[in-house]
Amino acid sequence: EIVMTQSPATLSVSPGERATLSCRASQSVSSDLAWYQQKPGQAPRLLIYGASTRATGIPARFSGSGSGTEFTLTISSLQSDDFAVYYCQQFNNWPPNTFGQGTKLEIK
Amino acid sequence: EVQVVESGGGLVQPGGSLRLSCAASGFTFSGYAMSWVRQAPGKGLEWVSGISGSGGISGSGGSTYYADSVKGRFTISRDNSKNTLYLQMNSMRADDTAVYYCAKYARAVAGNWYFDLWGRGTLVTVSS
Repeated sequence: EIVMTQSPATLSVSPGERATLSCRASQSVSSDLAWYQQKPGQAPRLLIYGASTRATGIPARFSGSGSGTEFTLTISSLQSDDFAVYYCQQFNNWPPNTFGQGTKLEIK
Repeated sequence: EVQVVESGGGLVQPGGSLRLSCAASGFTFSGYAMSWVRQAPGKGLEWVSGISGSGGISGSGGSTYYADSVKGRFTISRDNSKNTLYLQMNSMRADDTAVYYCAKYARAVAGNWYFDLWGRGTLVTVSS
């Protein structure tokens, strides 16, 4: 089973600043990686798939990069609506489609 | 409107059973692989199970996949005539307590898989 590890667990950033979230796979997942945003009491929402392709309707301030075992989600200029928990998920070697444990992005 | 809506959650005693349903609408349900994902209170997301669609994961319909934590206890199935996904949960344990989400697989032109549609979830509580 591929283990996905996200860092940091919690990230404190001021509105308007850049946030960089990391996701590492225990073995290569090529570019078969997705990122989701989850707010309290809500279902996850797809942000990025294929490691770097934004989903429909996702603002350009969200970008994904990486391949193999190292991936990054960058939010270029944080808005109040962006403070949430972010998860990565691999689709390369499954089942299972493992998730990272999440990064909580909070207001500094 | 494209959506999936879960139902069937509730309180069940340890060792008991429960069946979850996920009603799909707005897309050709039979053509897509589907999945169940759960989230224990205050915890992260855990993939639970998946089932192929007619053009899905394995190229044929009905192939099923499970996380080790539920293998032998949970059964995923689908009724394409009713556009509904199911999760039969038996021998339930306290650590099965979670919000259970239904999610739809999608595949990009480049071949990458992802979940493009999620329901709002249904809460399952296992307690005496």
